[in-house]
Amino acid sequence: QKEVEQNSGPLSVPEGAIASLNCTYSDRGSQSFFWYRQYSGKSPELIMFIYSNGDKEDGRFTAQLNKASQYVSLLIRDSQPSDSATYLCAVNRYNFNKFYFGSGTKLNVKP
Amino acid sequence: NAGVTQTPKFHILKIGQSMTLQCTQDMNHNYMYWYRQDPGMGLKLIYYSVGAGITDKGEVPNGYNVSRSTTEDFPLRLELAAPSQTSVYFCASSYSSGGAHNEQFFGPGTRLTVL
Repeated sequence: QKEVEQNSGPLSVPEGAIASLNCTYSDRGSQSFFWYRQYSGKSPELIMFIYSNGDKEDGRFTAQLNKASQYVSLLIRDSQPSDSATYLCAVNRYNFNKFYFGSGTKLNVKP
Repeated sequence: NAGVTQTPKFHILKIGQSMTLQCTQDMNHNYMYWYRQDPGMGLKLIYYSVGAGITDKGEVPNGYNVSRSTTEDFPLRLELAAPSQTSVYFCASSYSSGGAHNEQFFGPGTRLTVL
């Protein structure tokens, strides 16, 4: 069983729609959860992090965490073509010094 | 503030050759990491370091070595290169490994081909 699982996609949404990206993880002790965006040929860049159950909003992005279900999601509102990228989910257990990444979901936002 | 820098950007290596990928960060981060990313895949941790003089293995350490003599530098050594080591290598750093400020910052990557 993989530590972090994501649907590889591609997920296609029209411009202006809400894109919903999902991630599940296997380690119940995981405590930090991250969403990275990676454009083709570029390095990952951090979009959001969340530590507590519930929702965390930052501009057009909302991260949702449900530790009981071991589930993290990222919502992108008013999707733009510039949001087209691969989104990586990562989890970490405090002081274990290791981050586990999913294989990423490719998002296509169509004009 | 350059963040995390990596050299070289691209390299072609012959089977059996060795080389060192360089990584430097100027954010005074204690934690540094090396990942590899194969096409269409996520990041796999090769080695990490929690401070100068301290390193440990990640998920896929075979065929690699690291050292950490300073806070800023964390080079990755490939010995006896094999085609399976063809990948994009990312170096990352973070202030801590847990709690606040444990988000990782990535370098631009090194695209390595072994022929």
